[in-house]
Amino acid sequence: KNEVEQSPQNLTAQEGEFITINCSYSVGISALHWLQQHPGGGIVSLFMLSSGKKKHGRLIATINIQEKHSSLHITASHPRDSAVYICAVLGGSQGNLIFGKGTKLSVKP
Amino acid sequence: GAGVSQSPSNKVTEKGKDVELRCDPISGHTALYWYRQSLGQGLEFLIYFQGNSAPDKSGLPSDRFSAERTGGSVSTLTIQRTQQEDSAVYLCASSLGLARNNEQFFGPGTRLTVL
Repeated sequence: KNEVEQSPQNLTAQEGEFITINCSYSVGISALHWLQQHPGGGIVSLFMLSSGKKKHGRLIATINIQEKHSSLHITASHPRDSAVYICAVLGGSQGNLIFGKGTKLSVKP
Repeated sequence: GAGVSQSPSNKVTEKGKDVELRCDPISGHTALYWYRQSLGQGLEFLIYFQGNSAPDKSGLPSDRFSAERTGGSVSTLTIQRTQQEDSAVYLCASSLGLARNNEQFFGPGTRLTVL
């Protein structure tokens, strides 16, 4: 079993829909990252969180440390949100991020 | 300001040759990370540098892989006697300080193809 599991693996949505991507992990963590990777490969960090909830524009990330679960929400989705979304956890103070396999999101106009 | 830069952007090499991949982190960032993304696979951690501390090499897949960071800035990832399974995109990231407290900024990657 992978230490970081994401669901769904693939997600197709219509423009305007509310989207949720889930991440569960099995190790103790000091931080959790949500990353976005567009076709062509560039990776952008969306959020880093260790508790509670963060919001940036139409993106919201939540984490429940007790349940070892995080969600990434996209409100009013747009075709430009189409990308692979990756959850990664930091197991300790070192830089060893453990990555989920990603969720490929496609938003249709 | 300038982000993380990597060179070359693409590298094609023959099996058995050595390659060097370069990463220029954001100025002032003390932490530097190397990751690898193989075709159809997820990202995997390779090595982490934090300030003057000994690097965390726990992710390096074999002793053919090594990395150094000179002067706390530029880093070079070296792969000796390359194999076809080394083909991947190699990503570098940097952060302002300790990994647990700071967001990581990723470079565009170097796509390595071993023929």
